[in-house]
Amino acid sequence: KAGVTQTPRYLIKTRGQQVTLSCSPISGHRSVSWYQQTPGQGLQFLFEYFSETQRNKGNFPGRFSGRQFSNSRSEMNVSTLELGDSALYLCASSLGQSEKLFFGSGTQLSVL
Amino acid sequence: AQSVAQPEDQVNVAEGNPLTVKCTYSVSGNPYLFWYVQYPNRGLQFLLKYITGDNLVKGSYGFEAEFNKSQTSFHLKKPSALVSDSALYFCAVRDKGYGQNFVFGPGTRLSVLP
Repeated sequence: KAGVTQTPRYLIKTRGQQVTLSCSPISGHRSVSWYQQTPGQGLQFLFEYFSETQRNKGNFPGRFSGRQFSNSRSEMNVSTLELGDSALYLCASSLGQSEKLFFGSGTQLSVL
Repeated sequence: AQSVAQPEDQVNVAEGNPLTVKCTYSVSGNPYLFWYVQYPNRGLQFLLKYITGDNLVKGSYGFEAEFNKSQTSFHLKKPSALVSDSALYFCAVRDKGYGQNFVFGPGTRLSVLP
């Protein structure tokens, strides 16, 4: 069974640009969540989707948005990039609320 | 609000010695508790979880954790550390209430010295 796949693996953008990251969950997993990982802030929850509905949202500005498609694949978008958005963005999928998360390898975003 | 604390940024232990990585949590309701490990340039990998029942949970790679409700702790342990256990360890909590997200601790870097 294929794991969680995130694309692209690396991204370099400049301030003010926008970016879209993609995540394909494990087959059968309907829950997808996104996290931002930085050395200073650790793992910060961005949002969670379940069956195309946003179930929860973390404390991030409106520049961060996401969506989930009918096949459970998810995308997150960051508009008007800032230097502080440089981070590893991790996607995770799961079967349900009490179940473990399966993480992808992440997308390393660098904003110059 | 949920929160997780891992009081040690770094834990050093000699190979073959027992290791403990500490975690305390705060939730308003009953928690699901998890430990994850992260190797360099990789996503997080699941180690073990506590949902209900026996307070001692056994997980992958010989790790175990003990749920202590009165102390709101969920410390990760291993009887005999390996050099290959060196990694970043995260404790995570999720309130059992509907719609609650995972909250991760800041991580503890474990170094096992040969």
